[in-house]
Amino acid sequence: GENVEQHPSTLSVQEGDSAVIKCTYSDSASNYFPWYKQELGKRPQLIIDIRSNVGEKKDQRIAVTLNKTAKHFSLHITETQPEDSAVYFCAALPRGGKLIFGQGTELSVKP
Amino acid sequence: EAQVTQNPRYLITVTGKKLTVTCSQNMNHEYMSWYRQDPGLGLRQIYYSMNVEVTDKGDVPEGYKVSRKEKRNFPLILESPSPNQTSLYFCASSLRQGASYGYTFGSGTRLTVV
Repeated sequence: GENVEQHPSTLSVQEGDSAVIKCTYSDSASNYFPWYKQELGKRPQLIIDIRSNVGEKKDQRIAVTLNKTAKHFSLHITETQPEDSAVYFCAALPRGGKLIFGQGTELSVKP
Repeated sequence: EAQVTQNPRYLITVTGKKLTVTCSQNMNHEYMSWYRQDPGLGLRQIYYSMNVEVTDKGDVPEGYKVSRKEKRNFPLILESPSPNQTSLYFCASSLRQGASYGYTFGSGTRLTVV
């Protein structure tokens, strides 16, 4: 079955710097890759997603890239702000299956 | 407003006392799922349901039961809670299994079993 590995588990950056979180997946048939942000004590919320027919997607300060050949995808946050501090989860959806989540990355943005 | 509603938000109970955590969605989603979240372990799936009367075990089903008698509701039942079930629980729903849309999560239930 699908397996998703996420790195790093913790990430600390200075405000204004960029942050990158990387995930790899094992099932080449996976076709949908969402990213969730979970603020302390709150529910995970979808922030951006990418489908397998697209290589990159941007939404203001966040972007996701997908390399199907290497089976990895990444979340990029530019000009980080303290409110970006949260746990971020990547996930992969095998065709016809259910979302498989990575272990999460705790991002801390220091003012 | 489209949402997944979980109740209660917080619950403290004693070992062995049966409890139910409710989950309801108003989006006509076929797929519903329960997760538990523990520090350092991410989101682990307990049970899921692909439609009414269709449920299946996830990765950590021991000690839990579910039912799906109606499309909108997917309660999580702990028949005899134990302290190792102290955790943060999330219900989630999606249009259907395999649909390339994100899951919508409920607000979470923080359960403490003493």
